[in-house]
Amino acid sequence: DTGVSQDPRHKITKRGQNVTFRCDPISEHNRLYWYRQTLGQGPEFLTYFQNEAQLEKSRLLSDRFSAERPKGSFSTLEIQRTEQGDSAMYLCASSEIYGQWEGYPNTEAFFGQGTRLTVV
Amino acid sequence: AQTVTQSQPEMSVQEAETVTLSCTYDTSESDYYLFWYKQPPSRQMILVIRQEAYKQQNATENRFSVNFQKAAKSFSLKISDSQLGDAAMYFCAYRSANPAGNKLTFGGGTRVLVKP
Repeated sequence: DTGVSQDPRHKITKRGQNVTFRCDPISEHNRLYWYRQTLGQGPEFLTYFQNEAQLEKSRLLSDRFSAERPKGSFSTLEIQRTEQGDSAMYLCASSEIYGQWEGYPNTEAFFGQGTRLTVV
Repeated sequence: AQTVTQSQPEMSVQEAETVTLSCTYDTSESDYYLFWYKQPPSRQMILVIRQEAYKQQNATENRFSVNFQKAAKSFSLKISDSQLGDAAMYFCAYRSANPAGNKLTFGGGTRVLVKP
C-alpha cells in the first residue's frame, strides 16, 4: 500500500455540472476525512467516516455536496450544480482508531495529494 | 469551537540557519494534540511533528522542535540547520483527544522560503 490515493488529480468543469472525486485510503485505516483547501489557506474540514458511517458533517457541506463510503473502503465526494466558489483543492486523509474509548491512542492522519477542482 | 492562528504569512531563512514559526490556538478542552504539517508545492501534506497536551516535554524530531506553552496556548515550530528541501507551506493544526472529535483544525499556514 503506497498511501492515500485520490482521483482525479485535476478536474476542470463548467458551472452547473456535477463532479465526483474518489479517495482510496490506506487499507487498514477505518477513518476517512475530506477537507477543502482554497488557495493560500489552510484546509477546512468537510466530513468524516468511520468505516461506512458518516459521523460528522461541517456546515460547509451544503446540500449540493454528498459523500459516501460504501463498505468502508474507498470514498466518493460528489458536488452537484458546481459553482465558481467550489473551486479548491479537495483533500482526503485517513487514519486508524483502535477503539471508541477516550485515551486510546489516535494515529496520525495521512493525506492524499488532493484533487484540484476548477469551475469555469 | 477551536481556532488556530498563524500570524506569519511568510518567513525567509538562509540555508543552515534557524527559523521559528508561530502558532496560537484557542480551546476550552484540556486534552488535545497539536501538529505541524508540511505541504511542499504540488505534493501531499506530511506530518512534521506532534505534541500531546498532557506532556510537558517539548517534542523533537531531528532538526524540528516545538515550544509548547499550554497556558499561553502557543505552539511554535523551530527548524534548525534549514535545508532547501524545507521550503514549503507549514500548517499548525489542532485535534481533540476525544476520539469522537477527531478532525483537524488548521491555521492559515506560513510559507517558508529557504535561500541558498
